[in-house]
Amino acid sequence: EVQLVQSEAEVKKPGESLRISCKGSGYTFTNNWISWVRQMPGKGLEWMGRIDPSDSYINYAPSFQGHVTISTDNSISTAYLQWSSLEASDTATYYCGRSLHGLDVWGQGTAVTVSS
Amino acid sequence: DIQMTQSPSSLSASVGDRVTITCRASQGITTYLAWYQQKPGKVPRVLIYAASTLQSGVPSRFSGSGSGTDFTLTISGLQPEDVATYYCQTYNSAPQTFGPGTKVDIK
Repeated sequence: EVQLVQSEAEVKKPGESLRISCKGSGYTFTNNWISWVRQMPGKGLEWMGRIDPSDSYINYAPSFQGHVTISTDNSISTAYLQWSSLEASDTATYYCGRSLHGLDVWGQGTAVTVSS
Repeated sequence: DIQMTQSPSSLSASVGDRVTITCRASQGITTYLAWYQQKPGKVPRVLIYAASTLQSGVPSRFSGSGSGTDFTLTISGLQPEDVATYYCQTYNSAPQTFGPGTKVDIK
């Protein structure tokens, strides 16, 4: 079964750093791009960016460029989304998704709460 | 960048009704369009890709059509379990923008 399993919920303070993860299984991880999607409380889906694990080529949405970093560790079939300095407005649920004709498989989501 | 719009933003319909949601791209995307369903508190799932191809396991009452800039998602016979928010997304190129969503509930 193809799965993406994300790391657990996080509670952080403004200014702290954070890295969340998304582990793929049941398929060849390097064959498909991985996208990250933000959903702020009560709001819609926002595409943040994507990475091609085969060569680490990355696209970021303009509104997220420079604020987050996307990466992978192919040795453990895992993609990452990281922040160097969180803000309260980063409070949201973050999903990873496998890119195959849209996002055909989604992780369960990682809730991130940023509060002083 | 391509912008996606959806209409209506919400709708209320009776069980068994035919429901149509429209998605419009700011520029042509051929058929690089997917539709997603997100039930309250749940993870989104893909319903339709390539504008009109039904994802495996999705009930046949869901259908999609369109190409270029205008697309529709149709639910032929709304069921109580279809209460959800529906999003379109272009995956033509980056950024792979989502539409703002259409909330569907039962009248």
